[in-house]
Amino acid sequence: AQTVTQSQPEMSVQEAETVTLSCTYDTSESDYYLFWYKQPPSRQMILVIRQEAYKQQNATENRFSVNFQKAAKSFSLKISDSQLGDAAMYFCAYRTHTGTASKLTFGTGTRLQVTL
Amino acid sequence: KAGVTQTPRYLIKTRGQQVTLSCSPISGHRSVSWYQQTPGQGLQFLFEYFSETQRNKGNFPGRFSGRQFSNSRSEMNVSTLELGDSALYLCASSEGTGYGEQYFGPGTRLTVT
Repeated sequence: AQTVTQSQPEMSVQEAETVTLSCTYDTSESDYYLFWYKQPPSRQMILVIRQEAYKQQNATENRFSVNFQKAAKSFSLKISDSQLGDAAMYFCAYRTHTGTASKLTFGTGTRLQVTL
Repeated sequence: KAGVTQTPRYLIKTRGQQVTLSCSPISGHRSVSWYQQTPGQGLQFLFEYFSETQRNKGNFPGRFSGRQFSNSRSEMNVSTLELGDSALYLCASSEGTGYGEQYFGPGTRLTVT
């Protein structure tokens, strides 16, 4: 079974600074998807960024980028120019790529605080 | 397009009762997945429905069930409620099973007293 580990329960960053959230996963599959979701106090889960395992290029979405290290099974999220609206719980998630299942396996989350 | 909607948003039930939660996916999305979120267990997959068929099921007791209708709307039912069923229940939709991003609804907060 796949597992996702987020070892940082809480992180803090100053506004306009850069922060990196860590995620490691365990799988025996060679093809899969990885995601970062954001859950603000409203509890609405919002997709931040997605990475296909077969792609060597790291995904980027505006101020959000990932560092995907397939061999190390590591998938970190970098937030640049942090804004107050980035404060939220961030979840790393794994999904198989077999085309037979949409099940997401989530990590335990990292609570990000953004300070002035 | 309208996002994923879930009703009701909040619900208070008593132990032993049953409850039905509803989820309407994004138009055109045929796969609906359900997740339970609790402080102790985190986010756990309940089940997925695609084309009115259950495709996958998580490790939950048989008290948790669901179904999907021909318009892709889905319901989940929990019978004989227990205190431990208190949670945020999230629904997510995607274009198909195993492909396309999953987009989440706002959740239903269930409190069992």
